Amino acid sequence: GAVVSQHPSWVICKSGTSVKIECRSLDFQATTMFWYRQFPKQSLMLMATSNEGSKATYEQGVEKDKFLINHASLTLSTLTVTSAHPEDSSFYICSGRRPGANVLTFGAGSRLTVL
Amino acid sequence: QKEVEQDPGPLSVPEGAIVSLNCTYSNSAFQYFMWYRQYSRKGPELLMYTYSSGNKEDGRFTAQVDKSSKYISLFIRDSQPSDSATYLCAMIITGNQFYFGTGTSLTVIP
Repeated sequence: GAVVSQHPSWVICKSGTSVKIECRSLDFQATTMFWYRQFPKQSLMLMATSNEGSKATYEQGVEKDKFLINHASLTLSTLTVTSAHPEDSSFYICSGRRPGANVLTFGAGSRLTVL
Repeated sequence: QKEVEQDPGPLSVPEGAIVSLNCTYSNSAFQYFMWYRQYSRKGPELLMYTYSSGNKEDGRFTAQVDKSSKYISLFIRDSQPSDSATYLCAMIITGNQFYFGTGTSLTVIP
């Protein structure tokens, strides 16, 4: 089956620093990857859609200069939270879509705490 | 009106009960339907995937799609404490736009 690896699973950082989260599709080529944010007891909120080799498409209200997404290869996408602030503390989840598939495979998520 | 509506619960049932989880949707163009299970502090995992109207069974899980009523269901038979999680329905027309329900929190009490 399709597997997506996401790390770190948990990260604490100081306010003003940047944090990078990696998302790798281990056994398939994910031409499209999605980044979600999830607040406690709430559903998934799509932040951006990234296609390999092109710029990410951000959802309305998501600051693209703050949440930098890079999808440099068919198996790796990264989310960098720049100049993090406490309000950026959240659970971030990536997912990959296999070409032609109509399901998403999710990573295990990354819990970010900004002090 | 939201594209996908799902009762957030919480739902609490005794072990061994049959659980029914439901979602309704507004866009008749949705073609593919999924159910994901999400344990606390983990990413969602795919449970069931269906395309057409009707039932699909996998072990204790049955996914049901009624396109005429724009209604999908997930049934869990002989529920176990390990089934305690949040269940998300999801659907897609084509392309890259997936729509998710808000999730239903389920607790199975031993």
